[in-house]
Amino acid sequence: NAGVTQTPKFRILKIGQSMTLQCTQDMNHNYMYWYRQDPGMGLKLIYYSVGAGITDKGEVPNGYNVSRSTTEDFPLRLELAAPSQTSVYFCASSFGTSGFNEQFFGPGTRLTVL
Amino acid sequence: KQEVTQIPAALSVPEGENLVLNCSFTDSAIYNLQWFRQDPGKGLTSLLLIQSSQREQTSGRLNASLDKSSGRSTLYIAASQPGDSATYLCAVPSGSARQLTFGSGTQLTVLP
Repeated sequence: NAGVTQTPKFRILKIGQSMTLQCTQDMNHNYMYWYRQDPGMGLKLIYYSVGAGITDKGEVPNGYNVSRSTTEDFPLRLELAAPSQTSVYFCASSFGTSGFNEQFFGPGTRLTVL
Repeated sequence: KQEVTQIPAALSVPEGENLVLNCSFTDSAIYNLQWFRQDPGKGLTSLLLIQSSQREQTSGRLNASLDKSSGRSTLYIAASQPGDSATYLCAVPSGSARQLTFGSGTQLTVLP
C-alpha cells in the first residue's frame, strides 16, 4: 500500500514549456486534490475531483488543467509555464461519502520555472 | 469564506519543554480539524484528526483540543525533542469538495 505517489520529485522548466505532474493513489479514494504551496504560505487548492470523469476548479486554477479518467490517477497539466508557477505541488486524496474524512498527501513535486 | 490563522509563525524552545501551538478559524461550522507536520523539503504527514463532536484527540506525546464555539484548536506537545522540529499546519475542510483550508503554519525549533 503505497498511499499517494507523485512524480517527478523535482523539475526545472523554461518559460513557455509544458509538463504533466503525475499523481496516483491506491486507496480507492474517490476525492482527489491538487494544492500548491508557496514559501511561507499555507496550501491553496488548484483543482479537485470527486470521482472519475468529474473535476472542478479550486481557488487558483489559472494556467492549469486536470483530468480524471480512472479512480487512481489525477494528473495536473501545466501549459505555457510561467515563473509564477514556481511552487511545490501536492496531490491529496480522501474517501468521501456523507462525512468529511482525513486527507492523505503525496510527497510533493518541486517545480521551478526559469 | 473560511480563514485559518496560526500564531506564532515561529517558535524556538529548549528540549524537554511542553509547548502549545495555536490555530484559529473564522467559521465555526466545521466538521473536523486536521493537524499536519511538514519537515523541510518534504510532504505533509497527518498527525491528528479531531472531529467536531470531540473535544480532544491524543497520539503519543501529542494532544489536540478543539473548541468550535470559539473557533480555536491547540496542539500540545509534551516533553519536546529535537526530532519534533518541523512546521506544523492546521487545516479545516469546507465546500462541496471537502477541500482543506490551511493556516500558514508554525515553524518549531527544539534546541538540544
